[in-house]
Amino acid sequence: SSELTQDPVVSVALGQTVRITCQGDSLRTFYASWYHQKPGQAPVLVIYGKNNRPSGIPDRFSGSSAGNTASLTITGVQAEDEADYYCNSRDRSGNHVLFGGGTKLTVL
Amino acid sequence: EVQLVESGGDLVKAGGSLRLSCATSGFTFRNSSMDWVRQAPGKGLEWVASITSSGSYIFYADSVKGRFTISRDNAKNSLYLQMNSLRADDTAVYYCARYNGGVDLWYFDYWGQGTLVTVSS
Repeated sequence: SSELTQDPVVSVALGQTVRITCQGDSLRTFYASWYHQKPGQAPVLVIYGKNNRPSGIPDRFSGSSAGNTASLTITGVQAEDEADYYCNSRDRSGNHVLFGGGTKLTVL
Repeated sequence: EVQLVESGGDLVKAGGSLRLSCATSGFTFRNSSMDWVRQAPGKGLEWVASITSSGSYIFYADSVKGRFTISRDNAKNSLYLQMNSLRADDTAVYYCARYNGGVDLWYFDYWGQGTLVTVSS
């Protein structure tokens, strides 16, 4: 399969922990990267590789992977974390780029 | 400060052509792989095309192959997307982004603000 699958919608209470997952065969070969995107804004990289955060991303964001599944965990969710989250990797050939369909995170 | 600034988006009729540009600064463009990623209204992100640092390797999504051409000018720190035979489903915000990494780890670390292409049918 040359797809990355995400749950379309995930909800979490303020201050709680949430895990957003991404499944795909290519994740057995390539690490996932994760982006959040707020309305009207460009995507922002939040996690890449095994568990790397770009400068400026809070440490409540973390990543992990096992088999064909990559996960983004937000510990102690804040209101400003409400956004769309996308996973990304290359396809198994390495020549094309894949994005998951996106997960809309709602903070209750 | 890193900047990627797209331009060239417009309203165009189906079957028409458009050329997008992305002017960059603040990082070593000539050493960077660059991509175009688009987002249709209310939809998710869709990869469009990739070009390696020297331009030696170019890849396209099946949805645009044969119609779109990605190119770059390392002397001008600029990326381009020539779009021909445009269709209504090409309507989207087009982002240029730097694709960083290697081997088994790749990620888009820098993004532009996007430019809107609207194709009327």
